[in-house]
Amino acid sequence: GAVVSQHPSWVICKSGTSVKIECRSLDFQATTMFWYRQFPKQSLMLMATSNEGSKATYEQGVEKDKFLINHASLTLSTLTVTSAHPEDSSFYICSAEPYGTGDLREKLFFGSGTQLSVL
Amino acid sequence: QKEVEQNSGPLSVPEGAIASLNCTYSDRVSQSFFWYRQYSGKSPELIMSIYSNGDKEDGRFTAQLNKASQYVSLLIRDSQPSDSATYLCAVRGNNRLAFGKGNQVVVIP
Repeated sequence: GAVVSQHPSWVICKSGTSVKIECRSLDFQATTMFWYRQFPKQSLMLMATSNEGSKATYEQGVEKDKFLINHASLTLSTLTVTSAHPEDSSFYICSAEPYGTGDLREKLFFGSGTQLSVL
Repeated sequence: QKEVEQNSGPLSVPEGAIASLNCTYSDRVSQSFFWYRQYSGKSPELIMSIYSNGDKEDGRFTAQLNKASQYVSLLIRDSQPSDSATYLCAVRGNNRLAFGKGNQVVVIP
């Protein structure tokens, strides 16, 4: 259990275009999902916290108009990188926190990540 | 002070030896602690969770927690080349999970 699916795994796009990344919890409900960015050989950087049915909370320095987050259901959150530029090239990873209690409590489960390359 | 600190540089261990990783945290009221493993180019994978003081063993992995000293450690026994990865310490506080920067482990055959 506790599988998080993230698509696409990699994407190459032209500068100025938008890219949407999907994150789905396959076998559990997640009221909260998190979006991270990771540059090569660096640590995870939390971008935003996504709560089902409400606006996302962005970390300081993350442009909410550039990184649009939609958490439409208890199993799906999307991140849209709008007007992408080469400096947005990075590894984007989502994670989901299972709703409720039990063995999965307070644990984060990660999607497989999306490598974005902006030309 | 950072929320979660992992200060050691890359750790090289011979195959079969014990790898020891340490992590300290600043929020004294933290209650939940996790270790994640991340292979290069992949996303983190949860390998251990610990909630109370003492040791918790799972296969070749042992997590140790000392809340009074605010540290949590991970031991990898009988290290294998497949254990070569970056290990991330994570601590839950303020209703979110804070990650350390990670420690790279290289197991030498």
